Amino acid sequence: AQSVTQLGSHVSVSEGALVLLRCNYSSSVPPYLFWYVQYPNQGLQLLLKYTTGATLVKGINGFEAEFKKSETSFHLTKPSAHMSDAAEYFCAVSTNQAGTALIFGKGTTLSVSS
Amino acid sequence: DAGVTQSPTHLIKTRGQQVTLRCSPKSGHDTVSWYQQALGQGPQFIFQYYEEEERQRGNFPDRFSGHQYPNYSSELNVNALLLGDSALYLCASSLMTGSSTDTQYFGPGTRLTVL
Repeated sequence: AQSVTQLGSHVSVSEGALVLLRCNYSSSVPPYLFWYVQYPNQGLQLLLKYTTGATLVKGINGFEAEFKKSETSFHLTKPSAHMSDAAEYFCAVSTNQAGTALIFGKGTTLSVSS
Repeated sequence: DAGVTQSPTHLIKTRGQQVTLRCSPKSGHDTVSWYQQALGQGPQFIFQYYEEEERQRGNFPDRFSGHQYPNYSSELNVNALLLGDSALYLCASSLMTGSSTDTQYFGPGTRLTVL
C-alpha cells in the first residue's frame, strides 16, 4: 500500500525567503512522486514529478524537489518565494509514471507575506 | 488546444437524489480518472476509465459509478446522495501509452453541495 504524509498543514514565509514544503511517502514498490499546486477555486496543476533517473527534479515556477530513498522523502523547495506562490500544495505518489490513480497527501497551504 | 473541461461548475442536490457529472478530456487523451476532494483534504481517487471500461477503482462504494464514451468523454454518477458526498469532483485525463511517460492533466472541477 502507498501513502503520503505532508508535514505542516500551513507554512508561512516572507517574500524572498526560502520555501520548504515537506513530504514523506510509503510505498511497497518503487514510487513515482509528484507535486501539484492548487490555486483557489481551480483544479490541480503539475509542478514537477520524479519517475526515474536524476533524483533532483526541477519544475515550473522555480520549484524543485529531491527524491531521497533512504529518507523516503520528496521535499519541495524554492529559493525565493513570490507573492504569487501562495496556494495549496499537494504531494502525491503513484505506481505508474503517468501518475494515474494518485494517492495524495492532505496538502500544505503556503502563505507569502510582503 | 482545449484542456480538460468539466460540467457543471457547481451543483446543489438534496440527500437521496442522484447526480451526473461530465468530463471532456484534453485533446489526444484517452484515459479519464475521477477524484473526490472534500473541503480541506487532498483528492481521493475514485476510478479510472480506459477503452470504455473501468480499469482501476479506489475505496468508494458502488453508489459511485461511471461511464466512458467512444469519444473518450466520461461521466461520474452518484446515487443516493449523502451529506458526506459534498466535495469538489476533479476529472483528470492522460494518454495510455504502455510504458512511456505521459502527464495527467486535471480539470477545474465540479463543486457538489448536498443539502
